[in-house]
Amino acid sequence: QVQLVQSGAEVKKPGSSVKVSCKASGGTFSSYTISWVRQAPGQGLEWMGRIIPILGIANYAQKFQGRVTITADKSTSTAYMELSSLRSEDTAVYYCARDDQIDLDYWGQGTLVTVSS
Amino acid sequence: AIRMTQSPSSFSASTGDRVTITCRASQGISSYLAWYQQKPGKAPKLLIYAASTLQSGVPSRFSGSGSGTDFTLTISCLQSEDFATYYCQQYYSYPYSFGQGTKLEIK
Repeated sequence: QVQLVQSGAEVKKPGSSVKVSCKASGGTFSSYTISWVRQAPGQGLEWMGRIIPILGIANYAQKFQGRVTITADKSTSTAYMELSSLRSEDTAVYYCARDDQIDLDYWGQGTLVTVSS
Repeated sequence: AIRMTQSPSSFSASTGDRVTITCRASQGISSYLAWYQQKPGKAPKLLIYAASTLQSGVPSRFSGSGSGTDFTLTISCLQSEDFATYYCQQYYSYPYSFGQGTKLEIK
């Protein structure tokens, strides 16, 4: 059984960066793809990007290109999502999910990032 | 980018009702469509993938159909635990995209 456990809630100042982690257990981490999805308060789901840990290759939604960096550490089975130049509109719950390229079948519990001065 | 449009955005129903949610893609996506259920404060849960394949453990009252641009999620006999928000998602091409969600409320 795959389990994804994310890091805790963060409060950040506008203009700063945040890095959220997603530790996987069960299955073979290197064979996964991990996607990141965010959800602003009261809003829908928005795909941000993904990484293939075994290749170290990441793809990003154009909206976040240049501001988001997704990485993975195979030795600890952990994926990371770093978002820079934070603004109030980035306040959201950030989810990681296993992406088997036909669905997102396992999800982390979510990490609330609050951007506030 | 492919745009996904769900309808309705919200509606009320009663336990025992049969309900259908529609999802339309802005271009053909074959059967590369998934449906998720989300309850307040929780992560989304995968219900259906490949447009009509039920994820393991999901009750058989949930079903999906469609291909190309038009898709439906049907709940055959609503149970109290089904009141939630439902999202469709295309994985035909990156960037993945979700519908805006359909909130199902108790009448």
